[in-house]
Amino acid sequence: AQSVTQLDSHVSVSEGTPVLLRCNYSSSYSPSLFWYVQHPNKGLQLLLKYTSAATLVKGINGFEAEFKKSETSFHLTKPSAHMSDAAEYFCVVSDQIGKLIFGQGTELSVKP
Amino acid sequence: EAGVAQSPRYKIIEKRQSVAFWCNPISGHATLYWYQQILGQGPKLLIQFQNNGVVDDSQLPKDRFSAERLKGVDSTLKIQPAKLEDSAVYLCASSLGTSGSLSSYNEQFFGPGTRLTVL
Repeated sequence: AQSVTQLDSHVSVSEGTPVLLRCNYSSSYSPSLFWYVQHPNKGLQLLLKYTSAATLVKGINGFEAEFKKSETSFHLTKPSAHMSDAAEYFCVVSDQIGKLIFGQGTELSVKP
Repeated sequence: EAGVAQSPRYKIIEKRQSVAFWCNPISGHATLYWYQQILGQGPKLLIQFQNNGVVDDSQLPKDRFSAERLKGVDSTLKIQPAKLEDSAVYLCASSLGTSGSLSSYNEQFFGPGTRLTVL
């Protein structure tokens, strides 16, 4: 069965410093992986997705993630945090029939 | 382009009462999903429709939950009777095709959700 584990329930950074949100996955086959962001009282938005064509995936708003098969990881990074990045972030894996399986979420706080 | 619409945005009911949520997907999207997001957890798929047919309802508690998508457009999710543990945000999403594909054709677009509180 497919699953994802987000290693931090809450991450706090200062504005302008790097962001690292960690995600490990478990899959019996080559997975499809995604990162979604959820701002308060707004719908989930796709940040980026792993297509298997490139291990380094670039998404919206300066975020990127690197697929590392040897480490079964798909960590989300951003070089410089902005106040508007404060939100809940979900790492997601797709199963063989296309169902999305969400992680528990990581709440990102950005301090001025 | 209009996004996925949901109503109501908030609902408070007492246990054993019934409640219904409505979702209007993005125009032209064949696939519609209902998710349940309990506080502090990631969303969990309840049911997936392809047009007006059910693709996956394995996680839907069918003794109390029901959903329909008449005419393959709008959808309604109902809970009857509600329990305390049903307190959650109910998210609706839609996609052009089936989920999980790596193409943008199958990206899921989410509505703002309905926050249900059962007292």
